[in-house]
Amino acid sequence: LAKTTQPISMDSYEGQEVNITCSHNNIATNDYITWYQQFPSQGPRFIIQGYKTKVTNEVASLFIPADRKSSTLSLPRVSLSDTAVYYCPGGFKTIFGAGTRLFVKA
Amino acid sequence: DSGVTQTPKHLITATGQRVTLRCSPRSGDLSVYWYQQSLDQGLQFLIQYYNGEERAKGNILERFSAQQFPDLHSELNLSSLELGDSALYFCASSVAKEGQGVYEQFFGPGTRLTVL
Repeated sequence: LAKTTQPISMDSYEGQEVNITCSHNNIATNDYITWYQQFPSQGPRFIIQGYKTKVTNEVASLFIPADRKSSTLSLPRVSLSDTAVYYCPGGFKTIFGAGTRLFVKA
Repeated sequence: DSGVTQTPKHLITATGQRVTLRCSPRSGDLSVYWYQQSLDQGLQFLIQYYNGEERAKGNILERFSAQQFPDLHSELNLSSLELGDSALYFCASSVAKEGQGVYEQFFGPGTRLTVL
């Protein structure tokens, strides 16, 4: 099973940029790297996905180095509503770990 | 709305009982995943099916079992229930095919199980 490692929790303030890094030591050659966001009592929802280098959408950026052993989710100028748990599962036989609990303070 | 449906939304039962949770994946999705999430915990992967066959197993107890039917809906059976089985159970589906690379999962709203 593809397993990833990420920090358990992070704190930030409104307006700051937040970077969450995930290690993907077992990622398969064909696998894309995907990040999800989860609010309490809701299912996770897709944020962003990439294979190599940098991907940007309207909510986040994803940086993936050439060796693809890690990825960094970047949330620009976070707000209180970005307080959530962020997951970076990996691969077809994917598992979600504990995720990173981001707490944004006013 | 993710397109994944789960029933029932809430379930209250007693210890020792057996329940069945149902999941209907998005149209066209062949993969179904089951997850358990206890209060304030991360998602625990239970099991994955692809086109009717079991593909991956996580931390699923022997008291739990699942299957995916020919119409691709899936059921998770929980038996000899204990207080600690109280949790949110999520189903997710994906169009994913092994080796294809893109594995976005779409999650259902979850079934909240309370064991008294």
